[in-house]
Amino acid sequence: QKEVEQDPGPLSVPEGAIVSLNCTYSNSAFQYFMWYRQYSRKGPELLMYTYSSGNKEDGRFTAQVDKSSKYISLFIRDSQPSDSATYLCAMSVQGAQKLVFGQGTRLTINP
Amino acid sequence: NAGVTQTPKFQVLKTGQSMTLQCAQDMNHEYMSWYRQDPGMGLRLIHYSVGAGITDQGEVPNGYNVSRSTTEDFPLRLLSAAPSQTSVYFCATRGSGGAGNQPQHFGDGTRLSIL
Repeated sequence: QKEVEQDPGPLSVPEGAIVSLNCTYSNSAFQYFMWYRQYSRKGPELLMYTYSSGNKEDGRFTAQVDKSSKYISLFIRDSQPSDSATYLCAMSVQGAQKLVFGQGTRLTINP
Repeated sequence: NAGVTQTPKFQVLKTGQSMTLQCAQDMNHEYMSWYRQDPGMGLRLIHYSVGAGITDQGEVPNGYNVSRSTTEDFPLRLLSAAPSQTSVYFCATRGSGGAGNQPQHFGDGTRLSIL
């Protein structure tokens, strides 16, 4: 079983919809949680960075962490065609040198 | 401010050839790392460095070599290329300030094909 599980999709939604992306994990020691966006032929770009449990909002993006359920989510409000990309969750343990990534979810926003 | 610069962007090699993937950063970050990205596997850590002269193995180090002689550069060497090393390679850096793990920042990758 992988440490981090993420549904690879693909996920296709109409413009303006609310998008929910999720990851589950098995290592209870994870404390730092990140969401990256990756456009085709580009490197991952950091979207959201949270520590421990709770919510964090940045514009149209909201990240949620539920450590009791070992479940993290990224919500995108008022989705735009420019949001079409692969979204990767990543997490790490305090002091760890590596990030553990999910497979990535491929998202398409249809105009 | 270029951030993380990787060269070349694309490369085709024959089995058994060697090559060096270059990574340069201008953010004065101590931490640098190399990941490979394969379909269905996410990104996996190959090697990392916490500063000049210090390197260590990640999750999938076999067949790769690294060195860190300066803060700015962290080259990745393929000693004898194998088809299993066909992948997209990403270099990432991370600042060391703050109370916890800082997020990593990635370059745009090198797409490597081994025939």
